[in-house]
Amino acid sequence: DAGVTQSPTHLIKTRGQQVTLRCSPKSGHDTVSWYQQALGQGPQFIFQYYEEEERQRGNFPDRFSGHQFPNYSSELNVNALLLGDSALYLCASSLDLYEQYFGPGTRLTVT
Amino acid sequence: GEDVEQSLFLSVREGDSSVINCTYTDSSSTYLYWYKQEPGAGLQLLTYIFSNMDMKQDQRLTVLLNKKDKHLSLRIADTQTGDSAIYFCAEIVTGGFKTIFGAGTRLFVKA
Repeated sequence: DAGVTQSPTHLIKTRGQQVTLRCSPKSGHDTVSWYQQALGQGPQFIFQYYEEEERQRGNFPDRFSGHQFPNYSSELNVNALLLGDSALYLCASSLDLYEQYFGPGTRLTVT
Repeated sequence: GEDVEQSLFLSVREGDSSVINCTYTDSSSTYLYWYKQEPGAGLQLLTYIFSNMDMKQDQRLTVLLNKKDKHLSLRIADTQTGDSAIYFCAEIVTGGFKTIFGAGTRLFVKA
């Protein structure tokens, strides 16, 4: 079992650009959550997808959007990038609400 | 409100016990978690406790929950240098799907 995988590992973008991050959940998991972790901080919940629908959203602007595919994989899209969007983006998958398994993250740098 | 607070740093000698503390504000928390994050890596779920429990033990790890004081602790027995990492306390609130994280406690283990 490969566990949760994320791509790419690192990404450098310019202010105003758009970015798409990808996540493949652990085998058998149907729920995917996305988190933003700024340097020196704990992860902040962006949103959670279940059955291809956004089930709950954190305090993030509409520039952050996502999608879940029928195979449960997921994408996080961020439009009109700001310098403050630089962070580690973590994907977590679960079968129920209570045991989340995290991927290694995508390090996004906005210049 | 939703808030999880942790002390930022803890330093212990190899072989001693480590105790990492956390307070949370939402009394309707359902599950409380401890995650470990090593440099450049994602989060590893260490253990979790349901809110109707007072204690949970798993090998070297002991979790204590004081619901009255909204206080959660993680004790690591016989701390090793490999335990050096950032430890995050987190909660899921009843009726919600998002996990709320503290800022993390950086554990230093001196040989």
